[in-house]
Amino acid sequence: EPEVTQTPSHQVTQMGQEVILRCVPISNHLYFYWYRQILGQKVEFLVSFYNNEISEKSEIFDDQFSVERPDGSNFTLKIRSTKLEDSAMYFCASSGVAYLAKNIQYFGAGTRLSVL
Amino acid sequence: AQTVTQSQPEMSVQEAETVTLSCTYDTSENNYYLFWYKQPPSRQMILVIRQEAYKQQNATENRFSVNFQKAAKSFSLKISDSQLGDTAMYFCAFMKPWYSGGGADGLTFGKGTHLIIQP
Repeated sequence: EPEVTQTPSHQVTQMGQEVILRCVPISNHLYFYWYRQILGQKVEFLVSFYNNEISEKSEIFDDQFSVERPDGSNFTLKIRSTKLEDSAMYFCASSGVAYLAKNIQYFGAGTRLSVL
Repeated sequence: AQTVTQSQPEMSVQEAETVTLSCTYDTSENNYYLFWYKQPPSRQMILVIRQEAYKQQNATENRFSVNFQKAAKSFSLKISDSQLGDTAMYFCAFMKPWYSGGGADGLTFGKGTHLIIQP
């Protein structure tokens, strides 16, 4: 069964450093998403991406965040200058192009980001 | 803005019992989608069941079913014949329809219910 793949599973970085979290969505999907889950809290929407541009973003997604689809398969989330409060689990999701299929988002296993 | 509330932080039942997880939401939309996602200790989010608000019939998926009460804005999940593998965090989530968002819409999640199935 097709799945969303995220790498790395765990990323440790120093405060102020840039990190790039990588995702390979399901191959025929066209809508891509990033979510964040701080430990013990609910999953929060960050951004959605369609047709090579941001479709929707939350108030969390400020100027330190950016997303990119550098090639036909990868979807990345970049955090320019990490802060301690960026420590969280980051989930990538994708959904299909058909009317009904678009409304189901399939999630990857997540990347745990630890900012020291 | 939409909000999703799960009032049960944790529940524990014996294996083979039936358990119901509650979820309420608030929205001004007339049509929307509701989901239950499961997050086992592996942390991967897995779709359990989906309900479209314009459908009156409650969705079912094997041992999982929902009780969707649109007027009350309630969307509970019932797990029948619970199994040890059902132990996980369960998140209720809301999404606006694609045509009202104009694009790809993010899910709004509740805080989750930690379900423990005891042997």
